[in-house]
Amino acid sequence: GAVVSQHPSWVICKSGTSVKIECRSLDFQATTMFWYRQFPKQSLMLMATSNEGSKATYEQGVEKDKFLINHASLTLSTLTVTSAHPEDSSFYICSASFETPYEQYFGPGTRLTVT
Amino acid sequence: RKEVEQDPGPFNVPEGATVAFNCTYSNSASQSFFWYRQDCRKEPKLLMSVYSSGNEDGRFTAQLNRASQYISLLIRDSKLSDSATYLCVGTLHRRNQGGKLIFGQGTELSVKP
Repeated sequence: GAVVSQHPSWVICKSGTSVKIECRSLDFQATTMFWYRQFPKQSLMLMATSNEGSKATYEQGVEKDKFLINHASLTLSTLTVTSAHPEDSSFYICSASFETPYEQYFGPGTRLTVT
Repeated sequence: RKEVEQDPGPFNVPEGATVAFNCTYSNSASQSFFWYRQDCRKEPKLLMSVYSSGNEDGRFTAQLNRASQYISLLIRDSKLSDSATYLCVGTLHRRNQGGKLIFGQGTELSVKP
């Protein structure tokens, strides 16, 4: 149980375009979803926390207008990277929780490359 | 100073070796700690929780020392399949924002035949 999927698993896009990444909890209802970014050889950095039906809470230094998060239902959250630039190339991972924010189920990640 | 610090390694060890990873954390308010394992280009997977009393799961032993704000992971009888990056993870409670996980940089382990 507690499976989280992400789509797409990898994407290549041109600079200036927008990319949407989906995160779904397949067999449970997620009260909270988290979006992380990981650069090579670095730790996972939390970008934002989202709860169904409310605005996402962004971590310090993360631009909310650039990284749009929508948490429309208890099983789906989306992250849209707007006007992507090469420096946005990274591994984006979502996670979902239902009982406690400290027990998170991770999606397989999305590798974004911006050319 | 990073909230959770680890030696990035890499640790290169032969099969059968015992290897120990260390981690320190800066926020004394952190309540819970975990070790995660992350394979290359994959998501992190929970390996085990860490308790002050120490806990063991097969070949893996984790220990938390709150006084020193220090966490350890010991792997005995290393297997080739143990090769991965091991992430030390703490938690942080935020009053109006809910809790979050704080990940260390990870320690890379390579077990050689």
